[in-house]
Amino acid sequence: DVKVTQSSRYLVKRTGEKVFLECVQDMDHENMFWYRQDPGLGLRLIYFSYDVKMKEKGDIPEGYSVSREKKERFSLILESASTNQTSMYLCASSPTGGNNSPLHFGNGTRLTVT
Amino acid sequence: AQRVTQPEKLLSVFKGAPVELKCNYSYSGSPELFWYVQYSRQRLQLLLRHISRESIKGFTADLNKGETSFHLKKPFAQEEDSAMYYCALSGLTGGGNKLTFGTGTQLKVEL
Repeated sequence: DVKVTQSSRYLVKRTGEKVFLECVQDMDHENMFWYRQDPGLGLRLIYFSYDVKMKEKGDIPEGYSVSREKKERFSLILESASTNQTSMYLCASSPTGGNNSPLHFGNGTRLTVT
Repeated sequence: AQRVTQPEKLLSVFKGAPVELKCNYSYSGSPELFWYVQYSRQRLQLLLRHISRESIKGFTADLNKGETSFHLKKPFAQEEDSAMYYCALSGLTGGGNKLTFGTGTQLKVEL
């Protein structure tokens, strides 16, 4: 069974802090994704990566960056956290295989920026 | 650009009643569509995908290209169906597939 692990379940950070959200998958998947989930807005794609050191902007990349130095790990970075980045962050992975490969999600990290 | 619309934020039905969760999409290519479900305190997971043409937990969804819809249906709702449901569309971009989600519909099945 695919496992996608997000390092923290809950995080509380102060405005202006640099924040790292870590995600690790154990199934050798090529694709990895970061979404944020907000009530009434659904899931919005921040960044995704289809290979090591490769990244593509999603729909809402502003204020975020990512790092993929190893295939199994995909990090989301908030360079200077702001209160409007308070949200649930979901990491997901999928294998390469056309566009019908399902995503496997982590449990999520609930980030609060005060 | 790819877009998914779920018009209902909340759908409340009685146990045993039919369920239909609406989903409409916009995509210039040939769409690959999915329904994901999130039960209380669980991670988001795949419910079904149109390419499989399968029924999962009594749910089915048919892709209607003419109406650009992928509505999720179940003839008789069960209490355990209460959850948040997301419709999603996958499109190829760059080197990988990009999954775009709708805003979600909270299904509440009442006794």
